[in-house]
Amino acid sequence: QITLKESGPTLVKPTQTLSLTCTFSGFSFSSRGVGVGWIRQPPGKALEWVAIIYWDNDKRYNPSLKSRLTITKDTSKNQVILTMTNMDPVDTATYFCARTGDFRAYVAYWGQGTLVTVSS
Amino acid sequence: EIVLTQSPGTLSLSPGERATLSCRASQSVPSSYLAWYQQKPGQAPSLVIYGASSRATGIPDRFSGSGSGTDFTLTITRLEPEDFAVYYCQQYGTSPPYTFGQGTKLEIK
Repeated sequence: QITLKESGPTLVKPTQTLSLTCTFSGFSFSSRGVGVGWIRQPPGKALEWVAIIYWDNDKRYNPSLKSRLTITKDTSKNQVILTMTNMDPVDTATYFCARTGDFRAYVAYWGQGTLVTVSS
Repeated sequence: EIVLTQSPGTLSLSPGERATLSCRASQSVPSSYLAWYQQKPGQAPSLVIYGASSRATGIPDRFSGSGSGTDFTLTITRLEPEDFAVYYCQQYGTSPPYTFGQGTKLEIK
């Protein structure tokens, strides 16, 4: 059974850096084709694709956010970490961790999501 | 960046009826790399269709996807009460961002 769970702060101040961790089970990065990434959803709004890291350490970012993002993986811990700098109230959203299909970037499995609020 | 436009914004139907949801892309989606997701209130989305027409594991056959190029459709025949939700399309066929549509809310009439 594949599960993903997000963890991190629920409240950050403007200009601070956000660090979110996705801890997963039921698969590993030793499997070719695996990708784990992040998708966010502001309250009442649509989904926005953020970033992804693949089994071979290939990393892809949303160009509109790229300058603020870093995605890394800890294979030994089955974790993916997303950092986003210079947080702004418009970044308030539920952040979902997501596992892709094999060799394809659709989301086959979703975490439950974690709401991050940016406010002073 | 490929922009996906979903229509209608809201679709009001009764259980047992047929639902047709549209997703139009601003440019051709390579290899029909288009997915559909269902999201219920307070929940994460879940995969319904990938590759434009392949049903995800556990998805009943009343759900079907079709289309290619710039025009895609999700059809739900014989709506069940649990099908009422928001549906999003996503393209994953080009370089990032792997964009989503704005969603179609399927509500009970």
